Amino acid sequence: GAGVSQSPRYKVTKRGQDVALRCDPISGHVSLYWYRQALGQGPEFLTYFNYEAQQDKSGLPNDRFSAERPEGSISTLTIQRTEQRDSAMYRCASSLTSTRSRASEQFFGPGTRLTVL
Amino acid sequence: GEDVEQSLFLSVREGDSSVINCTYTDSSSTYLYWYKQEPGAGLQLLTYIFSNMDMKQDQRLTVLLNKKDKHLSLRIADTQTGDSAIYFCAEPGTYKYIFGTGTRLKVLA
Repeated sequence: GAGVSQSPRYKVTKRGQDVALRCDPISGHVSLYWYRQALGQGPEFLTYFNYEAQQDKSGLPNDRFSAERPEGSISTLTIQRTEQRDSAMYRCASSLTSTRSRASEQFFGPGTRLTVL
Repeated sequence: GEDVEQSLFLSVREGDSSVINCTYTDSSSTYLYWYKQEPGAGLQLLTYIFSNMDMKQDQRLTVLLNKKDKHLSLRIADTQTGDSAIYFCAEPGTYKYIFGTGTRLKVLA
């Protein structure tokens, strides 16, 4: 049924606080991706998982950012000690596979808009 | 390097055709995608084109692909006010999508 869901949809936090953003992919999708979209820009890749294994985290800006997908389904993106520059839309996507085929088409969630004051 | 480029803004009158252009870098891309982003909504896949095609038509949408020049375009016929949105082209890297900066389409009544 449902598409990719993310929560919360909006998060306002104070500088220095930790935040956890949740992504619930489409059931049965093997691959899960996190992107960050700054205002006026296209989404930029952060990290991705196949099942529970994090395959690539090269897009994470620094070590304050981490992600996990412990059971190969729901994923959490955590930002520690948030800074104002972390303010952005964080988007999650999932796909059946990650190979270069139609099955790798990524379906995006509505995003979480994070504002760090 | 990886860089997908788009013009930032396009303004058209209702009923006219809109053409949104994109240049991409990865000549080995199997598919190329167009996404639509409306305020408060997620990224919606609008259409895609397989790399061995020159053109794909889907109702009011026509996608043209020039592989030699690595140029992709999206034409929207009979543009409506509901088409006002940001349009992103995207090329799939090995597994991560590379998005353009997006073209904001404004449709004037």
